[in-house]
Amino acid sequence: RKEVEQDPGPFNVPEGATVAFNCTYSNSASQSFFWYRQDCRKEPKLLMSVYSSGNEDGRFTAQLNRASQYISLLIRDSKLSDSATYLCVGGGADGLTFGKGTHLIIQP
Amino acid sequence: SQTIHQWPATLVQPVGSPLSLECTVEGTSNPNLYWYRQAAGRGLQLLFYSVGIGQISSEVPQNLSASRPQDRQFILSSKKLLLSDSGFYLCAWSTGEGNIQYFGAGTRLSVL
Repeated sequence: RKEVEQDPGPFNVPEGATVAFNCTYSNSASQSFFWYRQDCRKEPKLLMSVYSSGNEDGRFTAQLNRASQYISLLIRDSKLSDSATYLCVGGGADGLTFGKGTHLIIQP
Repeated sequence: SQTIHQWPATLVQPVGSPLSLECTVEGTSNPNLYWYRQAAGRGLQLLFYSVGIGQISSEVPQNLSASRPQDRQFILSSKKLLLSDSGFYLCAWSTGEGNIQYFGAGTRLSVL
């Protein structure tokens, strides 16, 4: 059974802090990994893809550890607008598997 | 550029009534198409996916059906809605399995 597990949170973090969360995946055949962001009552939107070498996009850094089968997302200098649910996603030839999401609340 | 349209945005239906939700994609050909349901406070549940016209795969047994009458059109239907069908229905497309999926704005369905 394919599963992607995440801590549902909520993570309550003060504005300007750095926050990190991980997820684990069970399907060792997974080849593609992503982080999506979902705002309340909205559709999920792609935040970034995750590559084996790790990748950075502004304040966001994503990393993949294939040996331990986990993916991480680091957010630096967090903004109020970063408040959302972050979905971890793993996939391959048989489609994508979405985690249930980690709820992040940035507090002023 | 590619766009995905989904309607209606919200829908309130009585138990036992039929359902038809439509999703269309523009700007791409032969996309993979998906229907998901997200219950309140829950994760995304894949309901159906399609790799081509008339090709539908169902992930879970349920009260719903899907059809793909045209390359870029995906329809979710039910003959008789149940209370448990309430939820947030999302259509998505991708260029292939394992690739990034792009979501429509969703339909919030309340069955009363």
